[in-house]
Amino acid sequence: IAGITQAPTSQILAAGRRMTLRCTQDMRHNAMYWYRQDLGLGLRLIHYSNTAGTTGKGEVPDGYSVSRANTDDFPLTLASAVPSQTSVYFCASRPYAANTEAFFGQGTRLTVV
Amino acid sequence: ILNVEQSPQSLHVQEGDSTNFTCSFPSSNFYALHWYRWETAKSPEALFVMTLNGDEKKKGRISATLNTKEGYSYLYIKGSQPEDSATYLCAFLAQTGRQLTFGSGTQLTVLP
Repeated sequence: IAGITQAPTSQILAAGRRMTLRCTQDMRHNAMYWYRQDLGLGLRLIHYSNTAGTTGKGEVPDGYSVSRANTDDFPLTLASAVPSQTSVYFCASRPYAANTEAFFGQGTRLTVV
Repeated sequence: ILNVEQSPQSLHVQEGDSTNFTCSFPSSNFYALHWYRWETAKSPEALFVMTLNGDEKKKGRISATLNTKEGYSYLYIKGSQPEDSATYLCAFLAQTGRQLTFGSGTQLTVLP
């Protein structure tokens, strides 16, 4: 693993099903983020975590949950998927210091039908 | 919800033109302001991270300025090239909570 990796790359999911999007980084970054890409709206923050063991809600947290059991992993779970959750999801991480940039995974394209 | 706004939403310029975009953000609770370049079918990549009022950063033909007191940042591209075509995102890092909130982006198309 080099950098930040998301899995799966793409997924078609039946409405009502449960789905976990995986995000793993090997840079020992403290902060991690989940975003969804929506046309005309850019990247909207779903949940974030500033350090292992803590999480926070972003702009659009409803229908999603996260956990941060360790520094490397930050999975995003859709408990019961709905079509409006069709989107491209990006995971990102960064060191905690103010002057550090975020690094992004390659994205997961999720289609809920 | 932190209000981060970018303008214009999209922009078409001719090769060789210089252009600029605006990002406005809350003037309180400021920790840092990021600029990213996002090409189609790729992931966003950082251009600048700015933390101090009055900061000016430059990378090649691209530069950025920061005014934290009034809550805005400008991104400038000098002599635009077709390869500059991308969406440019700004992101506000809040002091409290440390959420990294993105604007909706400016989509730049440089016509040859």
